[in-house]
Amino acid sequence: NAGVTQTPKFRILKIGQSMTLQCTQDMNHNYMYWYRQDPGMGLKLIYYSVGAGITDKGEVPNGYNVSRSTTEDFPLRLELAAPSQTSVYFCASTRYGGYQETQYFGPGTRLLVL
Amino acid sequence: GENVEQHPSTLSVQEGDSAVIKCTYSDSASNYFPWYKQELGKRPQLIIDIRSNVGEKKDQRIAVTLNKTAKHFSLHITETQPEDSAVYFCAAMVGVTGGGNKLTFGTGTQLKVEL
Repeated sequence: NAGVTQTPKFRILKIGQSMTLQCTQDMNHNYMYWYRQDPGMGLKLIYYSVGAGITDKGEVPNGYNVSRSTTEDFPLRLELAAPSQTSVYFCASTRYGGYQETQYFGPGTRLLVL
Repeated sequence: GENVEQHPSTLSVQEGDSAVIKCTYSDSASNYFPWYKQELGKRPQLIIDIRSNVGEKKDQRIAVTLNKTAKHFSLHITETQPEDSAVYFCAAMVGVTGGGNKLTFGTGTQLKVEL
């Protein structure tokens, strides 16, 4: 298994541009999460999904959108990039919803908005 | 919502000494407390976790303690080695409406083990 994979690894965006961060897992996990990690800080939850077709907001959802059309994929969309969205983005997944269950993280996408 | 505080933000120890990192949480419904190690430029990796029905758990040089009454939990690393140098994050998990569980992370502790 590849586990949780993310693309791209690094991207530079101009203010106002849009992009999609890709996240795929091959572990047949039902639950998937998007976090952002600002320099010197912990991870903050952006959006999460409990299964295909179901998504919900986390702590910091403004400026982002998600979709979950398949179990494997959970893309994160930035419509109008802003400098405040410069961060490292991590996708994670768990099989049964994470009740006392470990989250598996992808390698991250480093995003710079100029 | 849940709030997790972590201290200290930086910790420097001599090789072979012990290191202790402490976290407090606010939501008494939190039921799972993992600790992650993150090396520079890498993803967080789980190193140990503890469930709310357990007071202490040990795995070789690493141990975690949980005090539910006081709502705090701690990571203990003994006989520290240079490869233990990294950022350590605590987290607390609580269930959410509609299903699933959310992790709230502390702000991290930069541990440096000096020779």
